[in-house]
Amino acid sequence: ILNVEQSPQSLHVQEGDSTNFTCSFPSSNFYALHWYRWETAKSPEALFVMTLNGDEKKKGRISATLNTKEGYSYLYIKGSQPEDSATYLCAFRGSGYALNFGKGTSLLVTP
Amino acid sequence: KAGVTQTPRYLIKTRGQQVTLSCSPISGHRSVSWYQQTPGQGLQFLFEYFSETQRNKGNFPGRFSGRQFSNSRSEMNVSTLELGDSALYLCASSLAGQGTTDTQYFGPGTRLTVL
Repeated sequence: ILNVEQSPQSLHVQEGDSTNFTCSFPSSNFYALHWYRWETAKSPEALFVMTLNGDEKKKGRISATLNTKEGYSYLYIKGSQPEDSATYLCAFRGSGYALNFGKGTSLLVTP
Repeated sequence: KAGVTQTPRYLIKTRGQQVTLSCSPISGHRSVSWYQQTPGQGLQFLFEYFSETQRNKGNFPGRFSGRQFSNSRSEMNVSTLELGDSALYLCASSLAGQGTTDTQYFGPGTRLTVL
C-alpha cells in the first residue's frame, strides 16, 4: 500500500474565494496521478489525469499542477462557487498499476 | 452512453452471511475495478478484472472474491460477512484498465451494512 496524503482534510471558504489543496505521493516509480471530484450522493467524477513532471491541466475554474520529482500535486479552484462543494480525491498510480487513493479534501463553499 | 451501474444500491446483511454485488461497465470498457470505502478511510483497491481475468489484487482477505463475465459485467462476492465489511463498495470501468493512463469511470456504489 502506497502512502498518498491529502491536505487539508477539510476546507470551508466563502463564495468567490480561490483555494488550493495538496496531494503528496511517493516520488519513485511514478506512472500517473488522477484527480477526482466526489459530490455527495453521486459517483466520483474524473477531473484530470497527469503523467509528466511539470504538467498543468485546466478545466474551467479548476486547474492542477504536478511535480513528480518531489512527489506532490496541487489542485486550484479559482472563484469558488457553492456547486464546487465536494470531496476532492487524488490517486497515485505507480509501477504496481493499482490506483492508490488519498482520503480526500472536503470542500464546503458557502454563499 | 450509459454510465457505470451497480446493483443493488443498498443492502443489509447479518454477520456470517454472504453477499454478491454487481457492476455493469460502460459499453466497450473491458476493465472493471472494485474499491471499498469505510468511514475515515480512502478508497481501498480490492481487485481489477480485464477480459474475464483478475489482473490486480489489493490487500484483502480471501473472503473477498470477484469474477467478470464475457460481456464485461462483474460481480464481487464477500463470504462470511463481518461487521467491519460494512462499507460503500464502488466499481469503476475503463477501456484498457490499470497500467494505462485511462480514466476510470465510477458507479454510484453499493452501501452494504452488516448487522
